[in-house]
Amino acid sequence: DIQMTQSPSSLSASVGDRVTITCRASQSIRNFLNWYQQKPGKAPKFLIYAASSLQSGVPSRFNGSGSGTDFTLTISSLQPEDFATYYCQQTYSSPPYTFGQGTKLEI
Amino acid sequence: EVQLVQSGAEVKKPGESLKISCKGSGYSFTSYWIGWVRQMPGKGPEWMGIIYPGDSETKYSPSFQGQVTISADKSINTAYLQWSRLKASDIAMYYCARHRGDGYNPFDYWGQGTLVTVSS
Repeated sequence: DIQMTQSPSSLSASVGDRVTITCRASQSIRNFLNWYQQKPGKAPKFLIYAASSLQSGVPSRFNGSGSGTDFTLTISSLQPEDFATYYCQQTYSSPPYTFGQGTKLEI
Repeated sequence: EVQLVQSGAEVKKPGESLKISCKGSGYSFTSYWIGWVRQMPGKGPEWMGIIYPGDSETKYSPSFQGQVTISADKSINTAYLQWSRLKASDIAMYYCARHRGDGYNPFDYWGQGTLVTVSS
């Protein structure tokens, strides 16, 4: 299985800050990388696919980049509703389509 | 509107069987893979497996192969996840989600989750 490693595991920030979360794959996954946001007690919400393409309705302050093994999710100006846990997921080749362990974004 | 509605929370004893469900609506249920995801308390999501309701083809993660069974009844637009003998280690929130099927296969719509508790 392809292993996905996120860093940091947690991150403290303030409203208005720019933050970056990193996701690394154990082998090249080209750009088959998705990002999700999860708030406590809720299902994950789909944000970004193909490493950098925003799902419809996702604010443009979210930006994904990367290819191969290294990927980033950047939030350009944090809003109160952005404080959540973020997960990357690879969907390269055949299943299982593994998730990262998550990055908790806290105030 | 695409919706996935899961069955309610379950409390079971070790060794009991369980089948939870996920009903899809607002789209062609037989044309998209449906997946199941485990999330243990305080942990990240784990991809368990997927099913294509059109022909019931299934694919499992090696970590879950033989531990659970994924099935679907396309006549009622419902996917299932079942256990024959629950263990305490099965305590988790279980989500169903739709694979978008565009090659990148994100889970674009999610159910609300079913909490499974196993306790003697």
